[in-house]
Amino acid sequence: QQQVKQSPQSLIVQKGGIPIINCAYENTAFDYFPWYQQFPGKGPALLIAIRPDVSEKKEGRFTISFNKSAKQFSLHIMDSQPGDSATYFCAASKVQGGSEKLVFGKGTKLTVNP
Amino acid sequence: DAGITQSPRHKVTETGTPVTLRCHQTENHRYMYWYRQDPGHGLRLIHYSYGVKDTDKGEVSDGYSVSRSKTEDFLLTLESATSSQTSVYFCAISGSAGDSPLHFGNGTRLTVT
Repeated sequence: QQQVKQSPQSLIVQKGGIPIINCAYENTAFDYFPWYQQFPGKGPALLIAIRPDVSEKKEGRFTISFNKSAKQFSLHIMDSQPGDSATYFCAASKVQGGSEKLVFGKGTKLTVNP
Repeated sequence: DAGITQSPRHKVTETGTPVTLRCHQTENHRYMYWYRQDPGHGLRLIHYSYGVKDTDKGEVSDGYSVSRSKTEDFLLTLESATSSQTSVYFCAISGSAGDSPLHFGNGTRLTVT
């Protein structure tokens, strides 16, 4: 059973565009929703995370939108740049459950063309 | 890379041979993890450790064993490698809380022929 469903699998945008990556979760007990960014040949790195007590969080050009009732959250990248080309993973867990309970989506490969 | 070193970075081995991957951290973090990354599957947890000699199974633990004799080292062993274990393996570390970020190493690409 896949607990976090991520879409799309791949995404191509032009420089300056606003790619949006969506994730849906099933377990209503999840209360921590991070996004990880992975460049080729590197391990994933935490990009931004949100807790369900807020509906939106911004860090620079990256924004997470969270819809608790729909059990969905999404990543928006404003003014996307070629350097944002990477694979993005959403994830979810319970804070009390420990990091070993973190469940990852299958990833979205983003390509930003110049 | 948060003081995480994985070795080797690349390995080709034959079916049926034992393989050990090493993860070394310099952050003194209590928690360490082994993930595998495969196209279409994302990141899947193999085993994790919550202290020296304290380990537990993850989602895809069959065919793998781990050991942690020192805080800084976490070993992943494939007792008898199979082609289905061809993958990229990532080690990660974290603090104790569930919302502590995972810090990943740069991975080991393992090919089983």
